[in-house]
Amino acid sequence: GAVVSQHPSRVICKSGTSVKIECRSLDFQATTMFWYRQFPKKSLMLMATSNEGSKATYEQGVEKDKFLINHASLTLSTLTVTSAHPEDSSFYICSARPTGTGELFFGEGSRLTVL
Amino acid sequence: AQSVTQPDIHITVSEGASLELRCNYSYGATPYLFWYVQSPGQGLQLLLKYFSGDTLVQGIKGFEAEFKRSQSSFNLRKPSVHWSDAAEYFCAVGASGFGNEKLTFGTGTRLTIIP
Repeated sequence: GAVVSQHPSRVICKSGTSVKIECRSLDFQATTMFWYRQFPKKSLMLMATSNEGSKATYEQGVEKDKFLINHASLTLSTLTVTSAHPEDSSFYICSARPTGTGELFFGEGSRLTVL
Repeated sequence: AQSVTQPDIHITVSEGASLELRCNYSYGATPYLFWYVQSPGQGLQLLLKYFSGDTLVQGIKGFEAEFKRSQSSFNLRKPSVHWSDAAEYFCAVGASGFGNEKLTFGTGTRLTIIP
């Protein structure tokens, strides 16, 4: 199957700094990628839909100025957590759908810890 | 709005025993249904999906699920579990032509296997 890779898998940062998480589709092109957030012992919450070459679509309640999403190419979407605070600590997961297909593939996730 | 309910937060079964994980959904049109598995610290892996046709779908790792429209259910089953099946299982419903954009996830069921 298709592979979606996230980097870094784990990141620890100080409060007030910004952190960038990358999501790459390794062997397919994806015009659409999705970013999810997963709290401990909770389900996945869709944060935003990332569209190549256009602005991301954010779900209600998600701060677009805090969670910056860029989908600059057909194989890369980035999520930047700006001015991170401890409450932003979470597991962030991306997913991607190969262009023209119905299959959705998930990355392995990135665990962010803000001190 | 679509929603998914997984009534069982945690299930423990003996290795070799049969398994059924429950999933109920709420959606106004024909649902597109999925089961994903998540190992600790990992992303999600698709076990199986239902878009249309035969209501009993076969997935990977010996799992199957049955779509029952009258009960709004999509329960996951396995006749004989293995220790490696211990993980978190998520049911999800999709709402698009491809069936997997903007997935709504249930809260998950943690499966523990005892020897």
